[in-house]
Amino acid sequence: ETGVTQTPRHLVMGMTNKKSLKCEQHLGHNAMYWYKQSAKKPLELMFVYSLEERVENNSVPSRFSPECPNSSHLFLHLHTLQPEDSALYLCASSQDDGSVAFFGQGTRLTVV
Amino acid sequence: GDSVTQMEGPVTLSEEAFLTINCTYTATGYPSLFWYVQYPGEGLQLLLKATKADDKGSNKGFEATYRKETTSFHLEKGSVQVSDSAVYFCALRTLYSGAGSYQLTFGKGTKLSVIP
Repeated sequence: ETGVTQTPRHLVMGMTNKKSLKCEQHLGHNAMYWYKQSAKKPLELMFVYSLEERVENNSVPSRFSPECPNSSHLFLHLHTLQPEDSALYLCASSQDDGSVAFFGQGTRLTVV
Repeated sequence: GDSVTQMEGPVTLSEEAFLTINCTYTATGYPSLFWYVQYPGEGLQLLLKATKADDKGSNKGFEATYRKETTSFHLEKGSVQVSDSAVYFCALRTLYSGAGSYQLTFGKGTKLSVIP
């Protein structure tokens, strides 16, 4: 039990679909993150929320839309994705004082 | 910008062999350094960390020493087990400029396979 839970664990979607990834943490952290893990590439930071405000998006395409309704929940809304968006999407949380980040188990996304 | 370079994998070792996974970094200031491990089908778990020069992080028989002079944080274990088979990520943490928040920058990961 890592304290960070992601759902679903696996998702297959067509390029015209709309879906959402969910992340939930019960560690009392005030910062949450979305990372993309693709084969043979470093983990890519997509979005950072600190105290429920977005502080970084690293030029992620607009077909990815994050939402952080409160400090315990983080969503990644997906629409009109491309096959190259297939990857493992990892959520993480930490205290905003720079302490250790805890990761969820990830959502394996396949775009067909 | 900040970056982390890890040795290319995969690394295949026999059980009880000595392990070294090299990691070097480029960063402004004095970042904190981490090793994360990812077991098959799982997310990343913190393995060990070091927050200042000459600190040694250790956990589960793994060790890494923060070497500022060589900007390195090599991971070592004296005797690996089959259960150590996983992907290992070196990472550094720095402060976003002007944002008051932190980010982790990861290396590409090194896959370790330990055979009986």
